[in-house]
Amino acid sequence: GEDVEQSLFLSVREGDSSVINCTYTDSSSTYLYWYKQEPGAGLQLLTYIFSNMDMKQDQRLTVLLNKKDKHLSLRIADTQTGDSAIYFCAEYIGTGNQFYFGTGTSLTVIP
Amino acid sequence: DTGVSQDPRHKITKRGQNVTFRCDPISEHNRLYWYRQTLGQGPEFLTYFQNEAQLEKSRLLSDRFSAERPKGSFSTLEIQRTEQGDSAMYLCASSQQRNTEAFFGQGTRLTVV
Repeated sequence: GEDVEQSLFLSVREGDSSVINCTYTDSSSTYLYWYKQEPGAGLQLLTYIFSNMDMKQDQRLTVLLNKKDKHLSLRIADTQTGDSAIYFCAEYIGTGNQFYFGTGTSLTVIP
Repeated sequence: DTGVSQDPRHKITKRGQNVTFRCDPISEHNRLYWYRQTLGQGPEFLTYFQNEAQLEKSRLLSDRFSAERPKGSFSTLEIQRTEQGDSAMYLCASSQQRNTEAFFGQGTRLTVV
């Protein structure tokens, strides 16, 4: 199946920028997503990028896509304690009508 | 309409019992997905509906699992003869036909004892 890889943990100090990385294997991905999950909760859609774009900015969030290297990143500027959560990268494969998720990166923001 | 709604939020059941979960998608969202998430893992695809038609099923979906979306609106996921390995968070998501932003519900946490 498709593999979506993420590092498991990231710690940053409040006010710094966070960069969460993701690699994927299927070059036929049409959309790539970032979701946020707080403890015991469902997934909150943060942002997504179409595969023919290389960057998308949305307030404090910047998504960078390197399609050649199949690498996606999420930068969170001015990270706050409320940003502490698990962040999932996901790719959408249209032919299979499904999303493939990574294992998630647990972000801890240190006050 | 405030988003995808799932019921119940939590379910504890004894091994061997049947359970049924409900998902109400965002209005006018044609596509509906069920995912399962175990502790420390990302969500894994179970099945997908476009309107009332179940178009995709994962190999994870054993014959003890059945999902329906009879009128193309809400969906149910039933697990028969539950096993301890079925303990997980069951997530439902919906999206529009031509827009693949998928919005997830809060999930149903199933514990099989």
